[in-house]
Amino acid sequence: NAGVTQTPKFRILKIGQSMTLQCTQDMNHNYMYWYRQDPGMGLKLIYYSVGAGITDKGEVPNGYNVSRSTTEDFPLRLELAAPSQTSVYFCASSRPGLADQETQYFGPGTRLLVL
Amino acid sequence: QKEVEQNSGPLSVPEGAIASLNCTYSDRGSQSFFWYRQYSGKSPELIMSIYSNGDKEDGRFTAQLNKASQYVSLLIRDSQPSDSATYLCAVNRPQGAQKLVFGQGTRLTINP
Repeated sequence: NAGVTQTPKFRILKIGQSMTLQCTQDMNHNYMYWYRQDPGMGLKLIYYSVGAGITDKGEVPNGYNVSRSTTEDFPLRLELAAPSQTSVYFCASSRPGLADQETQYFGPGTRLLVL
Repeated sequence: QKEVEQNSGPLSVPEGAIASLNCTYSDRGSQSFFWYRQYSGKSPELIMSIYSNGDKEDGRFTAQLNKASQYVSLLIRDSQPSDSATYLCAVNRPQGAQKLVFGQGTRLTINP
């Protein structure tokens, strides 16, 4: 199993440009998440999904959109890039479990720089 | 008050000593607690989880949970240079879907 994969690894965007960060998992996990991590900080939840066709906002959803058409894929869309979106983006997945005890598995991350 | 608080460090510990990392959380409804290790430029990886009050041991790692004090800690015995990393404390939000709130992380350096 490849686990959770993310593309691209690194991207530079100009202010106002758009892009999609790709995330795929091959573990048949129902739950998927997008986080951002700013330098020296912890992870903040942007959006999450509990299954195909179901998505919901996390702590910091403004400026982002997601879709979940399949179990495997959970792309994150930035419509109008702003310097405040410069960050490292991590995708994660987990399977449903009792009392939220399931491990989240993280992808390698996408480093995004908005200039 | 932050939902999950950690001392950002850096914490410097000599090789072979015990490293002690601490975390407090604000939501009394939280039931699941996790410690993730993150090497520089890498993604977080789970090293310990704990759900009940008391201690949980796994090799050189011990997680301690005190729900009354809303406190969770991680002890690393016989610290090795390879343990040098940032350690993230994560706590579940009780609303379900395994949503986690992360602390800012404690940077740990093990000195040979």
